[in-house]
Amino acid sequence: KNQVEQSPQSLIILEGKNCTLQCNYTVSPFSNLRWYKQDTGRGPVSLTIMTFSENTKSNGRYTATLDADTKQSSLHITSSQLSDSASYICVVSGAGSYQLTFGKGTKLSVIP
Amino acid sequence: DAGVTQSPTHLIKTRGQQVTLRCSPKSGHDTVSWYQQALGQGPQFIFQYYEEEERQRGNFPDRFSGHQFPNYSSELNVNALLLGDSALYLCASSPTGYGYTFGSGTRLTVV
Repeated sequence: KNQVEQSPQSLIILEGKNCTLQCNYTVSPFSNLRWYKQDTGRGPVSLTIMTFSENTKSNGRYTATLDADTKQSSLHITSSQLSDSASYICVVSGAGSYQLTFGKGTKLSVIP
Repeated sequence: DAGVTQSPTHLIKTRGQQVTLRCSPKSGHDTVSWYQQALGQGPQFIFQYYEEEERQRGNFPDRFSGHQFPNYSSELNVNALLLGDSALYLCASSPTGYGYTFGSGTRLTVV
């Protein structure tokens, strides 16, 4: 069964600090991996998309890494801001499938 | 350029009733997918429509059905509502093959 596991479930950090979120997946064959940011009660917003051949991608203060061999990804957030408080969801797409498999997300709280 | 538009934003229905949710895809997108997101969970794939046909379906009962119109907009219908159908329903559109854009969702509450 295709699964996406994220850790930690929740995280509290001080404004200005960095943090790293983890994602492990079992989706096979693999097509691409996305990180989304989701505010409570809103739809997810794409941060990064990586295919098999890409091992890092940045979007401003967000940097995602991918190790397709170990089926692991991470999302690093630098110089956190209060507006970064949200759920961060790892989403994997399998080759030959139109279905996205979502993790349960990491709930990040940035406090002053 | 409008993104993905969903309506209504909130809805309250009684158990056993039927509901229709609507989605207008982003301009230039011809594929629409629907997802159900229970509180505290990641979204679960319901189905995807392309060229007015259901192209792929997730593990949802036949009470969940959909439709795509020639202008690529889509509807999600749920019959015989159960309390467990209460969730945020997300619509995502994409140009063929890549890059999904999500709407803000419809919050359905079944009482």
